[in-house]
Amino acid sequence: AQKVTQAQTEISVVEKEDVTLDCVYETRDTTYYLFWYKQPPSGELVFLIRRNSFDEQNEISGRYSWNFQKSTSSFNFTITASQVVDSAVYFCALSEAKTETSGSRLTFGEGTQLTVNP
Amino acid sequence: DTGVSQNPRHKITKRGQNVTFRCDPISEHNRLYWYRQTLGQGPEFLTYFQNEAQLEKSRLLSDRFSAERPKGSFSTLEIQRTEQGDSAMYLCASSPLWGAGSGANVLTFGAGSRLTVL
Repeated sequence: AQKVTQAQTEISVVEKEDVTLDCVYETRDTTYYLFWYKQPPSGELVFLIRRNSFDEQNEISGRYSWNFQKSTSSFNFTITASQVVDSAVYFCALSEAKTETSGSRLTFGEGTQLTVNP
Repeated sequence: DTGVSQNPRHKITKRGQNVTFRCDPISEHNRLYWYRQTLGQGPEFLTYFQNEAQLEKSRLLSDRFSAERPKGSFSTLEIQRTEQGDSAMYLCASSPLWGAGSGANVLTFGAGSRLTVL
């Protein structure tokens, strides 16, 4: 069975601070995908990144960066120089890498509520 | 493309009533998913369609729940004889077919339909 754990329920920072959101996952599959989604107060989940299990290179996109470590089953997300607009719930998710006839059932963590104060 | 559209956005009903939610996916997406999200939790998978075929159902989808996608375009999720435990946000998502490039298993979510059962 797949499981995603986001141990940090809530994080509060002051604007311009760096913040790291932790994600630990469990799966028996050797091939899988990891995702981060952002859910602002409006409620719509917004895709941020996808990483497959064969690609352990870290990725940077503007103020966002992701650290994938297969050895510790972690896929952490760092926001550099946080801004008030970053305030949202962030979800880490896991998907098996299935065949062409199968769908992409995502297993989500419980989310981390990030509040960035001015 | 206007993204994934869900209606109604909010529904308040009395216990025992039936409710129906509609989802219009991104037009070129063959796959459509339903998830349920309760307060403070991550989304949980309910069911998935590839075109008009319902290929996977979660054990969370009790006999009171039925989902359809009759022409492979929009989908409906009906809950019969609602219970207070059905109160949640019902999220719809869509994605392209596997193999359709880098976006194959990236789900685009709608804003959700919030159900309150009194």
